[in-house]
Amino acid sequence: GAVVSQHPSRVICKSGTSVKIECRSLDFQATTMFWYRQFPKQSLMLMATSNEGSKATYEQGVEKDKFLINHASLTLSTLTVTSAHPEDSSFYICSARDGWNTGELFFGEGSRLTVL
Amino acid sequence: KQEVTQIPAALSVPEGENLVLNCSFTDSAIYNLQWFRQDPGKGLTSLLLIQSSQREQTSGRLNASLDKSSGRSTLYIAASQPGDSATYLCAVRKRDDKIIFGKGTRLHILP
Repeated sequence: GAVVSQHPSRVICKSGTSVKIECRSLDFQATTMFWYRQFPKQSLMLMATSNEGSKATYEQGVEKDKFLINHASLTLSTLTVTSAHPEDSSFYICSARDGWNTGELFFGEGSRLTVL
Repeated sequence: KQEVTQIPAALSVPEGENLVLNCSFTDSAIYNLQWFRQDPGKGLTSLLLIQSSQREQTSGRLNASLDKSSGRSTLYIAASQPGDSATYLCAVRKRDDKIIFGKGTRLHILP
């Protein structure tokens, strides 16, 4: 099946620093990419939807200046958590849609962010 | 408003048994429905995708059905194995392109 690579898988940072997470579709062009946040034993919470070359659409309650999303190409999207604080500690997962074929969603392995 | 419900929230089954996981959704105007599994601390692995025009999809020991009119989908797992233990999530893609996830069923296969 299609592969989505997410990096880094784990990151620990100090409060106030910024962290960038990359999401790449390795063998297909992702017309749309999604960023989710997942709390322990909870389902996924959609943060934003991004289409290549356009601004991301953020869900209600998600601060766009806090969570910067860039979708510069059909295979790469990045999420930057700016001025991270301990409450931003979470599991972040990206997904990419193979829009040219079946529209199937493929997910990255997730990134565990811990802010000290 | 589209809501996706998965019942049961957790399930323990002896190895070798067949089992069914349920997913229901309130709005039948969907584009497709997708089943995923998630292992602890990992991302989601796509299992089966059913387009709105389809009634079922099969992959190995897995079979997923879709009944749009009743707002239901089932994931059937045959001859369960300990490696099937994971959380299973269903997700509905709405016509407005939003994707709604259920809260998942935590499956534990007893050796």
